[in-house]
Amino acid sequence: GAGVSQTPSNKVTEKGKYVELRCDPISGHTALYWYRQSLGQGPEFLIYFQGTGAADDSGLPNDRFFAVRPEGSVSTLKIQRTERGDSAVYLCASSLLATNEQFFGPGTRLTVL
Amino acid sequence: LAKTTQPISMDSYEGQEVNITCSHNNIATNDYITWYQQFPSQGPRFIIQGYKTKVTNEVASLFIPADRKSSTLSLPRVSLSDTAVYYCLVGPQTGTASKLTFGTGTRLQVTL
Repeated sequence: GAGVSQTPSNKVTEKGKYVELRCDPISGHTALYWYRQSLGQGPEFLIYFQGTGAADDSGLPNDRFFAVRPEGSVSTLKIQRTERGDSAVYLCASSLLATNEQFFGPGTRLTVL
Repeated sequence: LAKTTQPISMDSYEGQEVNITCSHNNIATNDYITWYQQFPSQGPRFIIQGYKTKVTNEVASLFIPADRKSSTLSLPRVSLSDTAVYYCLVGPQTGTASKLTFGTGTRLQVTL
């Protein structure tokens, strides 16, 4: 497929556990973004990668959240010691360059019990 | 980033034209106006973007007055499949400031 893909589509975990969420951007897109969306709200920015480096991580809520993009393509969002408040849909987007025309994946719905 | 204000919800009948207005009084000189559409259980989808006057594509038209303090997304002859949440965003077009700031959007419900 030509679009952004995210795995898993759903993740249920227990409070205190560690989770990893994966994003496969559109091939050739250098910019990659992570957003989080709570029910009834618009997506909220978490982090932006330009290539392999995190150009802006100002949206990460605390140090339990971390993201990597080691080869400048696939990215993984990592959440340690999950809390019930982390439950949300985590969206990944990519763009050819860093623009506000971004292509979103379907998201990963994370539920922390 | 400039804050936007748009109606929480709108209702329309199929076949009508829908206009959703967004206020952005504090828009900066280098800000663009961008609209996204989001269906349930999907990520947002880029619809249209403009800087001033009018922009039209196969999906919608975007009207921006000279003062740029507001904008109107126009959807011609909506169908049931246009039922979605529509977000108005303002911000720089490119660069490290291109992260998107979404509000709560306008929930459009189209019925027969």
